[in-house]
Amino acid sequence: DIVMTQSPDSLAVSLGERATINCKSSQSLLSSSGIKNFIAWYQHKPGQPPKMLISWASARESGVPDRFSGGGSGTDFTLTISNLQAEDVAVYYCQQYYRYPFTFGPGTKVNIK
Amino acid sequence: EVQLLESGGGLVQPGGSLRLSCAASGITFTTYAMTWVRQAPGKGLEWVSVISANGGDISYADSVKGRFTISRDDSKNTLYLQMNSLRAEDTAIYYCAKNGVGSSYSGIDYWGRGTLVTVSS
Repeated sequence: DIVMTQSPDSLAVSLGERATINCKSSQSLLSSSGIKNFIAWYQHKPGQPPKMLISWASARESGVPDRFSGGGSGTDFTLTISNLQAEDVAVYYCQQYYRYPFTFGPGTKVNIK
Repeated sequence: EVQLLESGGGLVQPGGSLRLSCAASGITFTTYAMTWVRQAPGKGLEWVSVISANGGDISYADSVKGRFTISRDDSKNTLYLQMNSLRAEDTAIYYCAKNGVGSSYSGIDYWGRGTLVTVSS
């Protein structure tokens, strides 16, 4: 199975500053064509269902603020939240959908400093 | 507006069975793969199972393989998860979710609010 790891486990960032979350997969998530990375990022707030932020490593979902951006390729990926807002407090997960069984990372908790 | 409404959760004894349902509306159900994801108390998200739009591609997490069965009834716009031989570690909120495209090899772009399954004697 593909193992997804995230770092850090949690981080506290001042309002308006940048938060960077790392996700590493145990196998490459890059398609054989070299075009697509099969990874998504989700935001999960308590009492709510998760929400997709990014698919295909860097494609922002419609309606997601442009302060959220995804990057990386192969086995190393990042989710960056620039200009952190109070409403961004949540747990963030990466997920690979390259190979069965699909797997989530353990999550990164983002708080306000 | 996309709506995914789960039902069927509840308290069940170890070894028992439950069938979860997910009624979808606001989408052309036959166009999309569908997924179940769960979250145990105090834990992270765990991918459980996926079924492609045409039902021909199905996969399960190792932790539920052989005990859970995913299916869909396109005439009713409904996704199911039949859960047998339930264990305490299956206790979780179960989310029904819609994939972005018909292939199961895609991210999840809509989630239901979840239904709680508690396995306890």
